[in-house]
Amino acid sequence: DADVTQTPRNRITKTGKRIMLECSQTKGHDRMYWYRQDPGLGLRLIYYSFDVKDINKGEISDGYSVSRQAQAKFSLSLESAIPNQTALYFCATGITWGYTDTQYFGPGTRLTVL
Amino acid sequence: QKEVEQNSGPLSVPEGAIASLNCTYSDRGSQSFFWYRQYSGKSPELIMSIYSNGDKEDGRFTAQLNKASQYVSLLIRDSQPSDSATYLCAVNVGGSSNTGKLIFGQGTTLQVKP
Repeated sequence: DADVTQTPRNRITKTGKRIMLECSQTKGHDRMYWYRQDPGLGLRLIYYSFDVKDINKGEISDGYSVSRQAQAKFSLSLESAIPNQTALYFCATGITWGYTDTQYFGPGTRLTVL
Repeated sequence: QKEVEQNSGPLSVPEGAIASLNCTYSDRGSQSFFWYRQYSGKSPELIMSIYSNGDKEDGRFTAQLNKASQYVSLLIRDSQPSDSATYLCAVNVGGSSNTGKLIFGQGTTLQVKP
C-alpha cells in the first residue's frame, strides 16, 4: 500500500460547490503539507501542519481551509470552488532532520472547476 | 525576483551523455537543498538531498552545492530515456529555524533521446 494516499484522484465540479480533498499517510510523520501545481508556476504551498494542533497558512491560502483530523489525516477544503482553482493538488508528509523537513508526496488529485 | 530559479528547458541530451541541471536561489540562509523528479502527470519523487558545500553522489546522480554562489546543480551520468522528466529544485526557507517550508523552482524538463 502507498505511504501517502489522496482521494479522490480526479474530480470535476462546478463553480460555487464545496469540495474536500483528503490525504492519509502511514509514514508516521508529524508534518503534512498541501500544495497546488499549475503549469508554469511550479508547486506552491497552500497550508501546512506540524501536528494536530498546529496549522499554518502557506503562500496561497485564500479560498482554502484545512483540517487535521489526526496525525495521519489532513484534509483540504475549497468552500466555494472557482475556475482558477483548477489545478493538480498534492499532499506531502515531512520528516524533520536538522534545519528542514524531507518531504514525500502523495499521488495527487486533479481538480477541474467548471 | 523568484526565490528559486531554474531554466525551464527543455534540455535535450543524447542517451549516454551527462545531463546538467542548474538551480539558483536567493535566500542566503538556506541550509537544505533537494532535487525531485516528476514524470508527466505523476507526483514529485525525491532523488537527492544536499546540505554541505561540494558534491554528493548517489549512483548516476551527483548533486553539487555552492552556498557562496547560491547555486545547486544535479548531474545525471549515462542518461537514459527513462530519465526524461521534469526535475524540480527545492530549497528550505528560514535558515537554521526549521520552518519546514520548501520553495520549489519551476522545474527543468529533461529529454533524453535514444
